[in-house]
This record gives sequence, structure tokens and C-alpha cells, in this order.
Amino acid sequence: GESVGLHLPTLSVQEGDNSIINCAYSNSASDYFIWYKQESGKGPQFIIDIRSNMDKRQGQRVTVLLNKTVKHLSLQIAATQPGDSAVYFCADLNDYKLSFGAGTTVTVRA
Amino acid sequence: DSGVTQTPKHLITATGQRVTLRCSPRSGDLSVYWYQQSLDQGLQFLIQYYNGEERAKGNILERFSAQQFPDLHSELNLSSLELGDSALYFCASSVEASDSPLHFGNGTRLTVT
Repeated sequence: GESVGLHLPTLSVQEGDNSIINCAYSNSASDYFIWYKQESGKGPQFIIDIRSNMDKRQGQRVTVLLNKTVKHLSLQIAATQPGDSAVYFCADLNDYKLSFGAGTTVTVRA
Repeated sequence: DSGVTQTPKHLITATGQRVTLRCSPRSGDLSVYWYQQSLDQGLQFLIQYYNGEERAKGNILERFSAQQFPDLHSELNLSSLELGDSALYFCASSVEASDSPLHFGNGTRLTVT
């Protein structure tokens, strides 16, 4: 079965606000996590990754936080823009298999 | 653009038929992965190849098979198609066999009628 899951299937955010998307994983042996963004009609697009020896990693307007104690992963998007509207997936790479959560649909309100 | 190319973009076929989906990985990537995405199942891992060898298998039906060729492109063959096989099929590639991000193509949308 899936080793990762997301807390909420949908998230509505005001343009300019920060977004937080959460993900819980169950496999304590997981050591590599990836966030993807999928827009309609396209394949999943790599956003940011983090390894289990880190608890935070920052990219351009995005931050991933990893809490291994509670097996929780989050993606923070700063100053959310209309172009951030998409489905976001967390994924856990373990034993050569990348397992995806169910996805959170983010809608940005103007 | 991820650099992963999938053809065809769309495919419509009848039940019982066989189709072949093709994937060209990013330049330099040795691993190729196949995923199926349907509305009720999300993204499901099917199979992975690394430098021509099968490396990992997921929820791939026996009616489905894949291979990776010496030039590293890959094909996914789907046979005895059923209505339930209608889905988006994605190919992804990565540099290493593990612990490196996967880069996805834009998929092949298969419709079985």
C-alpha cells in the first residue's frame, strides 16, 4: 500500500498568502522525500526534495520541512501566486519505488 | 520542459487490442519508470528499469510488459485491453537507480472503448 498520505485533499488560498501543504508517511525507514506539482494536462513536475538527514530545505519560494519524530512532511509556498494552482503530491522513494500520496488540490483566489 | 518525451500523446483503441507506449528519457538518465494515473487510483508505480535491466516492479498487470533498449528508450506494452485500463500513463527518468529525483513526461492518455 501507499506509504505516504496527505492531510487535506483541497486547499484554497488567497493570492499573496503563504500556503502550507501537509503529508504524513508511515514507513520509518523512508529516507528520501520529494514534492511534485501537477498542472492539468501535464506530468508531475519536481519542486523540491529532502533527505532524512535534514529537517529543512529551501528553494525558490518553497520550503520543505521534515519531522521524523512524527513522520510528517510539509511544503510551504511563500506569497502564493495564481500559477501555483495545481495538485501537489508528496512522494517517498524507498527500495527504488517512488510512492505517491493522494494529492492536495491548491486553488489560489484572486 | 522536463526533457522526457512520451509518444503518442493520445491513444484511443478498443477492448482486446494491444498498444505500445514509448518513452525517451532525459539525456544522461539511466533509469526509466512507468506510472499509471487514474482518477480513483492516483499515481501507481508500474515498473522501473536501470540501464536496460528491470530494477523494481510495482502493481503491473501480467497483461502489461515493458523493456528498456540499449539506447535507453523504453516501451510499455499493454495487451488484451480492458475498459479499466483507460488512464494516463507516465514515464519518468532519473540519473541514478535510487535517491535522485524523477522527472516526468507529459504522459500518454489511453482511452479504451
